[in-house]
Amino acid sequence: GQSLEQPSEVTAVEGAIVQINCTYQTSGFYGLSWYQQHDGGAPTFLSYNALDGLEETGRFSSFLSRSDSYGYLLLQELQMKDSASYFCAFSGYSTLTFGKGTMLLVSP
Amino acid sequence: DADVTQTPRNRITKTGKRIMLECSQTKGHDRMYWYRQDPGLGLRLIYYSFDVKDINKGEISDGYSVSRQAQAKFSLSLESAIPNQTALYFCATSDPSSGQGPDTQYFGPGTRLTVL
Repeated sequence: GQSLEQPSEVTAVEGAIVQINCTYQTSGFYGLSWYQQHDGGAPTFLSYNALDGLEETGRFSSFLSRSDSYGYLLLQELQMKDSASYFCAFSGYSTLTFGKGTMLLVSP
Repeated sequence: DADVTQTPRNRITKTGKRIMLECSQTKGHDRMYWYRQDPGLGLRLIYYSFDVKDINKGEISDGYSVSRQAQAKFSLSLESAIPNQTALYFCATSDPSSGQGPDTQYFGPGTRLTVL
């Protein structure tokens, strides 16, 4: 079957660095995406990794290891506004499959 | 103006009623999707459509139906609503030629549906 595992909650303080891990199982895989969702709002796209390695977009970076079926989202210089839920999702043959999400709580 | 809009934004209805949720987009994308979100369960795919003539079931299509009236419009219907369909519903679009990944999706603001 297809599945993704990510921690349900992560806490950190402003200015810190936090890593949200994601492991997946699937028979068809094209890439790993990350989405951010503030409470009750629309999910928004953060990053996509099709190949192994690190992709950097400002304070956010995403990493993929296809051989380990593993990826992570790295958030640097945390700000209060980064408090949100973060979803990893893999691209299969034609659709996205989402993990259950990680709630990130950033405290002062 | 928002690229992906959903109506209504909130709806309270009773068991057994027929409900339609509507989605419109101005992004010009061919691909459209309906998801539901329940606390702690992430986003689960209900139906998706790659063009006006293409409709596909997702992971949890039972109890739902869809209509793709035009490239820009994709509606979700609950023929006879039941309480466990209470959830947050999202419409999304994608364009595989966007360069951000074949399935990068753009979400509407959501419809919060409560079935009593």
